[in-house]
Amino acid sequence: DGGITQSPKYLFRKEGQNVTLSCEQNLNHDAMYWYRQDPGQGLRLIYYSQIVNDFQKGDIAEGYSVSREKKESFPLTVTSAQKNPTAFYLCASSIATNTGELFFGEGSRLTVL
Amino acid sequence: QKEVEQDPGPLSVPEGAIVSLNCTYSNSAFQYFMWYRQYSRKGPELLMYTYSSGNKEDGRFTAQVDKSSKYISLFIRDSQPSDSATYLCAMSAGTGNQFYFGTGTSLTVIP
Repeated sequence: DGGITQSPKYLFRKEGQNVTLSCEQNLNHDAMYWYRQDPGQGLRLIYYSQIVNDFQKGDIAEGYSVSREKKESFPLTVTSAQKNPTAFYLCASSIATNTGELFFGEGSRLTVL
Repeated sequence: QKEVEQDPGPLSVPEGAIVSLNCTYSNSAFQYFMWYRQYSRKGPELLMYTYSSGNKEDGRFTAQVDKSSKYISLFIRDSQPSDSATYLCAMSAGTGNQFYFGTGTSLTVIP
């Protein structure tokens, strides 16, 4: 089945540690996105990538980094510079830039201890 | 002013009721409209996808878009307890990879 796979589903981190969230898609989509979801705040865009080896900052990129070395993969690193990293992180993809259909993975819950 | 406004609820209805969920928006350039269903601790699932104005029906779900009023709706007929979830609206102008989301409406269908 085609889809978006995020791992791990749950992750605990100590303060000062970097963690990397994995996102893999087999939908052959060009565009990939990372969102952060907090209660009552909706989805906020962290980074997005339209093509391999290119990515753009979203609304809340500070303290995060990404790479797009393969079309299928768009990992997100939450660095120690992110002041409030505890959140639900969602990876998404869309087939192209001129269409509105956006598909999501199952999410990764990061908790900082 | 937020790009997209959505009443957070919570909304509680008896099983079998018709549910109406709504979003308003401010950007007249939006032309792609989506509704997602999100269960607790899960990723959003795309329910309905509509381009431009009009209605779209899929089983018990009907999506309506009124671009003149900048208003979109999702109707759920014969609601079931399994419909209990948070419903997110989303929209896009189709350029720049920008999607705008409502904050979600929490729905509970009581058996």
